[in-house]
Amino acid sequence: GAVVSQHPSWVICKSGTSVKIECRSLDFQATTMFWYRQFPKQSLMLMATSNEGSKATYEQGVEKDKFLINHASLTLSTLTVTSAHPEDSSFYICSASTDYEQYFGPGTRLTVT
Amino acid sequence: EDQVTQSPEALRLQEGESSSLNCSYTVSGLRGLFWYRQDPGKGPEFLFTLYSAGEEKEKERLKATLTKKESFLHITAPKPEDSATYLCAVLSLGDSGNTPLVFGKGTRLSVIA
Repeated sequence: GAVVSQHPSWVICKSGTSVKIECRSLDFQATTMFWYRQFPKQSLMLMATSNEGSKATYEQGVEKDKFLINHASLTLSTLTVTSAHPEDSSFYICSASTDYEQYFGPGTRLTVT
Repeated sequence: EDQVTQSPEALRLQEGESSSLNCSYTVSGLRGLFWYRQDPGKGPEFLFTLYSAGEEKEKERLKATLTKKESFLHITAPKPEDSATYLCAVLSLGDSGNTPLVFGKGTRLSVIA
């Protein structure tokens, strides 16, 4: 079946530093990838839609200069949290679309100290 | 606007006690309805896609059904390892694989031994 990986699975960084999270579709090509964040016991919150070779589309309220998304190939999208602050601590999940089905990565736990 | 409502919010079952989770949806036209399972600290795991009313799909103790207004996820003789949050999502006819799914808030299932 369709497999999506994320790296790293967890990361701790200091306030003010930047963190990059990778999302890869391992056995299929994904023209579109999606980035979500999730707080404990809450629903998935869509942050942005990423299409290969074009700029990402951000949801209202998501700072595009803070959450940089790059979708350089059909199997890789990256999310960079720039100048991270403790309020950016969260669970970040990507998904990749094949036809009309979306498959999720295992998530990345970001803790900013 | 597409909407998805899941009920109940939380469900506690004894091991072996069968039950159903409900997903009511409102879309202008349904392209697909999706069920996912999410364990704490992990990304959602794809379970089923249903495309048309009357369709049913099964996987182990789970069976998903679809009508024109709702979907049910039936759990037969559940085991403690079925404990998770079950998410329902829809994609409408006007949307493509580039469009994010519309998710419900999920049902937290606890199965007690």
